[in-house]
Amino acid sequence: NAGVTQTPKFRVLKTGQSMTLLCAQDMNHEYMYWYRQDPGMGLRLIHYSVGEGTTAKGEVPDGYNVSRLKKQNFLLGLESAAPSQTSVYFCASSYSGSYNQPQHFGDGTRLSIL
Amino acid sequence: GENVEQHPSTLSVQEGDSAVIKCTYSDSASNYFPWYKQELGKGPQLIIDIRSNVGEKKDQRIAVTLNKTAKHFSLHITETQPEDSAVYFCAASIGSSASKIIFGSGTRLSIRP
Repeated sequence: NAGVTQTPKFRVLKTGQSMTLLCAQDMNHEYMYWYRQDPGMGLRLIHYSVGEGTTAKGEVPDGYNVSRLKKQNFLLGLESAAPSQTSVYFCASSYSGSYNQPQHFGDGTRLSIL
Repeated sequence: GENVEQHPSTLSVQEGDSAVIKCTYSDSASNYFPWYKQELGKGPQLIIDIRSNVGEKKDQRIAVTLNKTAKHFSLHITETQPEDSAVYFCAASIGSSASKIIFGSGTRLSIRP
């Protein structure tokens, strides 16, 4: 059971570079989410998707873009990386938005922007 | 905007003792409150959740209580064991939908042998 898989696990970028983080789930979940985790701040929602072809903004969307071209994949893009985007990024998915269908998380991507 | 406050930020208890983590939330429409456990290098994992029509829920050594009037909810771990050492996050739904949740800032729980 792979569950939610995030690639890469670690990455170091220079300011101004771009990159894409990939999230893949094999549970046929409709909902997918991208969070960032910073020390002392818990997890904050960046963007989310309620189905293939849909995306919506979360709490901290600025500087990020997302795409959900396939149901099983949710991509997070940084067009011009900034040091403030140094963080651990978590992807999650859920079957639906209902109460008995909790979010399942991947193991994170640790991103450093120099 | 919506906010979830979590206390304490760190907690150290003797093995076998109980641990209590408390959270407050600001959105009176919130009606779903999950708790997640995060081990080092891993993503958060749901350990228990509660809906607003229930005041308490138990699962073996873990229990969660909810006071909707006061907008408080708490996690109780009894008979703590070394494997309980982790970071714990509370969360609350944004509004009445469980599809979006807002997290507390986390509690690092350490179990002393």
